[in-house]
Amino acid sequence: GNSVTQMEGPVTLSEEAFLTINCTYTATGYPSLFWYVQYPGEGLQLLLKATKADDKGSNKGFEATYRKETTSFHLEKGSVQVSDSAVYFCALRMGGGFKTIFGAGTRLFVKA
Amino acid sequence: DTAVSQTPKYLVTQMGNDKSIKCEQNLGHDTMYWYKQDSKKFLKIMFSYNNKELIINETVPNRFSPKSPDKAHLNLHINSLELGDSAVYFCASSQESLNYGYTFGSGTRLTVV
Repeated sequence: GNSVTQMEGPVTLSEEAFLTINCTYTATGYPSLFWYVQYPGEGLQLLLKATKADDKGSNKGFEATYRKETTSFHLEKGSVQVSDSAVYFCALRMGGGFKTIFGAGTRLFVKA
Repeated sequence: DTAVSQTPKYLVTQMGNDKSIKCEQNLGHDTMYWYKQDSKKFLKIMFSYNNKELIINETVPNRFSPKSPDKAHLNLHINSLELGDSAVYFCASSQESLNYGYTFGSGTRLTVV
């Protein structure tokens, strides 16, 4: 079946450090891939997306590239801020009802 | 302007009670969803409606019944609440297209005591 696997958290970084959160997927067919962010006490917000192989999604300094050969969509940011502390979810969306499947989420703590 | 709004934000109730959560979106999307998020932040889809028609109905106890009076509204009614129903419930909306992301509401934290 279709699934998303994210690295387990929490991830703790100092401000201005480089961030990578790994995400791999299993899918029959060609999904679109997404990263969502959830700040404490809030709903999920779409952070970025990529709809086909080799596409790069980017937003607010975050970026991720859709790698079909490694079935991966790793999230990166060059210099994190305290305000980036949140839970990050990798997700894929498939045809046939267009259901979105979410990874388990990775909590990020950024220390000043 | 709130894009996806859910009410109430918090709900504390006793076991055995019946409760409803309401959701409205003003984005003109044609598809709406209910997700359940447990204490470990795991998200599980419950239901999806497209233009008032049920298109996804995951393995959810039949005590949970969604209702969509029009494509801008999707409500969730829960009968005979149990302790295990305690969670955060999120409503979301989207276009029915592979390339669209979801817009989520801010969630309803349900606590059953």
